[in-house]
Amino acid sequence: EAEVAQSPRYKITEKSQAVAFWCDPISGHATLYWYRQILGQGPELLVQFQDESVVDDSQLPKDRFSAERLKGVDSTLKIQPAELGDSAMYLCASSLDHYGYTFGSGTRLTVV
Amino acid sequence: DQQVKQNSPSLSVQEGRISILNCDYTNSMFDYFLWYKKYPAEGPTFLISISSIKDKNEDGRFTVFLNKSAKHLSLHIVPSQPGDSAVYFCAARGAGNMLTFGGGTRLMVKP
Repeated sequence: EAEVAQSPRYKITEKSQAVAFWCDPISGHATLYWYRQILGQGPELLVQFQDESVVDDSQLPKDRFSAERLKGVDSTLKIQPAELGDSAMYLCASSLDHYGYTFGSGTRLTVV
Repeated sequence: DQQVKQNSPSLSVQEGRISILNCDYTNSMFDYFLWYKKYPAEGPTFLISISSIKDKNEDGRFTVFLNKSAKHLSLHIVPSQPGDSAVYFCAARGAGNMLTFGGGTRLMVKP
C-alpha cells in the first residue's frame, strides 16, 4: 500500500538551532500539506502545496518557518531558529482527490 | 475561533458496548466530514467519512451520523474492541480541500 514517507521520525534540537523535516508524498498526489499537532490538540494546517506552488500558508509563522516543494514532488519544512514552543508532531499529508488525505507517520520534534 | 470542536477529551467504554464520539462545527460551508484514528507516535489514519448531503454512512462496526441543522456529527463504534483504543479526530472539509480538525477524543476500551 502506498505511503507518505517522512523523516526523521524523531528530532531533538536545542533552542535557536535550525531543523528540517522531509516528506515524500504518494506518487501522483499533486496536493501536499504540512500540519502541526501539539499534544492534546488537533492537527493545524501550516502550508498547502498544489504541485510546486503554495496554495495556503496563512498559518505558517514566516519569520522562522519556511517550506518548499521545488519539483512538485517531495517537500522540506524548515524552522530557524527553533523555539521551545515549536515542540510538536509535524505531519505531512498528500491527496489525489477531494475525499481525504493520507498522512505520514510524522516527525516528533522536541526543542530543549 | 475553533470551527470544529470535540468537547469530550476522553471517553471510557467497556468492551462489547457502543462508543459514541461527538463533534460540533460552526461553518455551514463545510461539505464533507471525516473521522481519523490516531495511535501514539503515528500519523492519523482515515476511518470513515460522510458527505454533507447525507445523514448516515456505515462501514462495518463504524457508523457516522450527520445532523446538518444542529451542525453536529457523531461516530458510533459497535461493538467496541480494545484495539479501538486511540485518539479520534473529526475533520471538516472547506474551501481548497483544506481540512479543519477538532481537538480529538481519547477513547479507551476496557476488556
